[in-house]
Amino acid sequence: DADVTQTPRNRITKTGKRIMLECSQTKGHDRMYWYRQDPGLGLRLIYYSFDVKDINKGEISDGYSVSRQAQAKFSLSLESAIPNQTALYFCATSDWTTGGDTQYFGPGTRLTVL
Amino acid sequence: SQQGEEDPQALSIQEGENATMNCSYKTSINNLQWYRQNSGRGLVHLILIRSNEREKHSGRLRVTLDTSKKSSSLLITASRAADTASYFCATVVNQAGTALIFGKGTTLSVSS
Repeated sequence: DADVTQTPRNRITKTGKRIMLECSQTKGHDRMYWYRQDPGLGLRLIYYSFDVKDINKGEISDGYSVSRQAQAKFSLSLESAIPNQTALYFCATSDWTTGGDTQYFGPGTRLTVL
Repeated sequence: SQQGEEDPQALSIQEGENATMNCSYKTSINNLQWYRQNSGRGLVHLILIRSNEREKHSGRLRVTLDTSKKSSSLLITASRAADTASYFCATVVNQAGTALIFGKGTTLSVSS
């Protein structure tokens, strides 16, 4: 969905490095989410934000932090990357004003930590 | 822990056949949604069914929800090769918000 973009699309990094994944949306949605996907485990929620001033931890927030710089931007940081953070990361958005339940996903960032 | 569990994990059918996937969940929900993911790509929303609804249709998709059994099914009729993808059910359990809890998915392969 071109309305939700993620950068970079692929990233290889080394253990201990700090890395930031960025998400931008032009949908005008107030809610944004970060998930990670591992083979055979489906998607797991890392963090979510209902507006610029509201940040919430998800199921697996340890080792991650987020920043909601503006309504349209939600960044995910790995302060000190470790190999088991190798995964496919997805950003998603939803719109509370229309019910907010349907989520719109970005194309994903494939992260490899060596 | 996973809220939803899809069954089967993998399904292979021929074009024109129907595909049925099931989802079971653990706690009370506000609604249940189905998403499709083509290999390595982002998820696409297919259909949403609310906790007070029992059945919903969208094109070739039919979703049922049985809250007493905490289960849902997704039926794709007259499958096409383009339906090959992974299908996930997701539930909203947070009364105050819309955080989704996803199952592990069913991988559907449709051969021509």
